[in-house]
Amino acid sequence: GQSLEQPSEVTAVEGAIVQINCTYQTSGFYGLSWYQQHDGGAPTFLSYNGLDGLEETGRFSSFLSRSDSYGYLLLQELQMKDSASYFCAVNPDSWGKLQFGAGTQVVVTP
Amino acid sequence: ETGVTQSPTHLIKTRGQQVTLRCSSQSGHNTVSWYQQALGQGPQFIFQYYREEENGRGNFPPRFSGLQFPNYSSELNVNALELDDSALYLCASSLPLTGADYGYTFGSGTRLTVV
Repeated sequence: GQSLEQPSEVTAVEGAIVQINCTYQTSGFYGLSWYQQHDGGAPTFLSYNGLDGLEETGRFSSFLSRSDSYGYLLLQELQMKDSASYFCAVNPDSWGKLQFGAGTQVVVTP
Repeated sequence: ETGVTQSPTHLIKTRGQQVTLRCSSQSGHNTVSWYQQALGQGPQFIFQYYREEENGRGNFPPRFSGLQFPNYSSELNVNALELDDSALYLCASSLPLTGADYGYTFGSGTRLTVV
């Protein structure tokens, strides 16, 4: 079957670092994306890994290991506004028919 | 450059009814994908349209259907509504073959409640 596994919730204090792991098993794999969604809002794109290794975008970094079917999103210098749900999503091909995980609720406390 | 807009924002329908949801894609984007997001879950891929043709479909029954128009806007139609169809419906637009690296632009969704 096809599945993406990520933790359901992570809690951390402002200024801390959080890592959200994602393991996947899908029939096709083109790349791994990460999206942020605040309550009731639109998912917004954070990062994409098409090749193995680390991608850095400001306070956010994402990593992919194709051989391990594993990736993670690293959130550094956490801010209160980072409280949201974070989804890993597999791009099975170049057309963007994303397969999402169930999401990780990140709660940032003062 | 406008983003993706969806209408209506909220909708309440009765079981068995039919519903049409609308999506205007980001300027220049000719590919539109629709997703269903149940409460507390990740979005699930329904189908994708490219240049007015269906370009892939997820595990949804035929009562979920769609259209894409020459201006690349799109509709999602759901017939014979069931209680489990209650969800946030999202559309996302992109240019083919370039969206992965730059991400897909999602609308804010239509919250459908079936009673």
